[in-house]
Amino acid sequence: DGGITQSPKYLFRKEGQNVTLSCEQNLNHDAMYWYRQDPGQGLRLIYYSQIVNDFQKGDIAEGYSVSREKKESFPLTVTSAQKNPTAFYLCASSLRGSADTQYFGPGTRLTVL
Amino acid sequence: GENVEQHPSTLSVQEGDSAVIKCTYSDSASNYFPWYKQELGKRPQLIIDIRSNVGEKKDQRIAVTLNKTAKHFSLHITETQPEDSAVYFCAASRRGAQKLVFGQGTRLTINP
Repeated sequence: DGGITQSPKYLFRKEGQNVTLSCEQNLNHDAMYWYRQDPGQGLRLIYYSQIVNDFQKGDIAEGYSVSREKKESFPLTVTSAQKNPTAFYLCASSLRGSADTQYFGPGTRLTVL
Repeated sequence: GENVEQHPSTLSVQEGDSAVIKCTYSDSASNYFPWYKQELGKRPQLIIDIRSNVGEKKDQRIAVTLNKTAKHFSLHITETQPEDSAVYFCAASRRGAQKLVFGQGTRLTINP
């Protein structure tokens, strides 16, 4: 767990703004994931990447975008097209893929004002 | 695709008693089953996992059992303590699958 960092811890956004959430890992993991968690709810997959310069949409990708230019980094942009972005965002990584243990970052709590 | 159902959604037990959370999965090819514990406002943390080549795995007060024929697996916590209060998530995946599929979560409350 300590090898995955997310920043910022708290983020406030005005309606109509794009914001970017940072996720970095030093575990030398190939695969990285972004999840959204709403209060009292489970984890919903936004995007995932199994290798540098490649990523796939998860179950709720609309209104979000990602990039994977470096193995260590997988930033998530919440665009103005995401109508209800207030949530807890969790980044995770695993060695190669989904059958390997996923380790989560500490999360970013995004609030739209 | 894989679908994971988790029950119950909430569970309340007396301190010292046992707690059991059950999950069923749909993809018979799934072979990796982790359990995560999430405390309020914190990240999910892996507490135990099992692969399909074994039927049971134990770590101190925590155990997981797997029934491949029935396609279900369970988390068992014995001698529960107040610090066991949290939300627990099960998940399932297989080699080559692109994502880990999570259950809906169980909120476990340990009453003193």
